Amino acid sequence: KQEVTQIPAALSVPEGENLVLNCSFTDSAIYNLQWFRQDPGKGLTSLLLIQSSQREQTSGRLNASLDKSSGRSTLYIAASQPGDSATYLCAVKGAGSYQLTFGKGTKLSVIP
Amino acid sequence: KAGVTQTPRYLIKTRGQQVTLSCSPISGHRSVSWYQQTPGQGLQFLFEYFSETQRNKGNFPGRFSGRQFSNSRSEMNVSTLELGDSALYLCASRLDPEDTEAFFGQGTRLTVV
Repeated sequence: KQEVTQIPAALSVPEGENLVLNCSFTDSAIYNLQWFRQDPGKGLTSLLLIQSSQREQTSGRLNASLDKSSGRSTLYIAASQPGDSATYLCAVKGAGSYQLTFGKGTKLSVIP
Repeated sequence: KAGVTQTPRYLIKTRGQQVTLSCSPISGHRSVSWYQQTPGQGLQFLFEYFSETQRNKGNFPGRFSGRQFSNSRSEMNVSTLELGDSALYLCASRLDPEDTEAFFGQGTRLTVV
């Protein structure tokens, strides 16, 4: 059974700092990994999708990497802003599975 | 291009009642999946539909059911509501069930009293 862990559960940083969020998964047989952002009481916003054959994806100030063999992904946020404050979730889609398995998320607070 | 639409946004129901939630996927998307989000358990998979067929079901009791219509819109139903069913129910839309990106709606906040 796939398990996804995100560490830390919460993170507080000053504005302008670069930061890394971590995601690990137990079964390396995945189709893809997706990073989401969730604002309080809202739905999930897709940030980046990395296919199993890819090593990284970039969108603006965000960069996500994937090391399938070690079961790890990182989300790098450059020059953080208060508007980046949210909960960040990673989810993996296993090979032969229709579902996404989610981590519990990292709650990020960027202090002005 | 319209996103994933979930209705209603908020619901308050009494224990023992039943409820139906609706999800309209992005135009052209044929795969719809449902997730329950609670503070304690996080996001848990309920079921996925593709071309009106349930492809996979999570570890939830039979009180949770769903269906998909020919226009890809999906509904989920919860019967005999319990207090523990209070949660944010999220619907995800994909072009197909395989390796494409999932897009989520804003969710339906269900409160059971």
